[in-house]
Amino acid sequence: NAGVMQNPRHLVRRRGQEARLRCSPVKGHSHVYWYRQLPEEGLKFMVYLQKENIIDESGMPKERFSAEFPKEGPSILRIQQVVRGDSAAYFCASSPRTSGGFDSYNEQFFGPGTRLTVL
Amino acid sequence: KQEVTQIPAALSVPEGENLVLNCSFTDSAIYNLQWFRQDPGKGLTSLLLIQSSQREQTSGRLNASLDKSSGRSTLYIAASQPGDSATYLCAVKWETSGSRLTFGEGTQLTVNP
Repeated sequence: NAGVMQNPRHLVRRRGQEARLRCSPVKGHSHVYWYRQLPEEGLKFMVYLQKENIIDESGMPKERFSAEFPKEGPSILRIQQVVRGDSAAYFCASSPRTSGGFDSYNEQFFGPGTRLTVL
Repeated sequence: KQEVTQIPAALSVPEGENLVLNCSFTDSAIYNLQWFRQDPGKGLTSLLLIQSSQREQTSGRLNASLDKSSGRSTLYIAASQPGDSATYLCAVKWETSGSRLTFGEGTQLTVNP
């Protein structure tokens, strides 16, 4: 009964490189969320996805950041041309789908996070 | 603006003490509120989820209450132990913000043996 899996747990990149963060939700969950925790700051919402759809990306920086949740495989958060300010812990969460439009009442389960360091 | 505030930012207590952590939120139209625990360098562990229709939830030594009308939640920890030392986060899901959670800054708790 695995929970949310994220890999890698730690990622080091040099400025200008690309970072790819992967998230496998709890088995059977079809909703994925990405949050970012900058040093000495609280967690901030980035994006909410369902299979093959971006539902809400209002928290995502407009440039260099993208996310996907394909029909098969994990969700990917991609950061192009990383800068030092991207150094943070990136957390993924998942929740199940509930019939009758009650998805919003569901609990979100968090993964262990990926700690990105940009040199 | 929808905001979540947690007071105090840090708390240090002797082992065995009962304690209360506070969370306030600016808009009472919520779906639910979750309390999490975060250990240094680790992920988030969900402690309690309170739906908007509920007044409290209990799990072991933890009890969380919700007063929507005043925009407040409290997390009560009974008979604190050194292993309870962690940062405690409160997160709110509002009716008008879809499925996103909005987090407070957290309360860093230290329980001294």
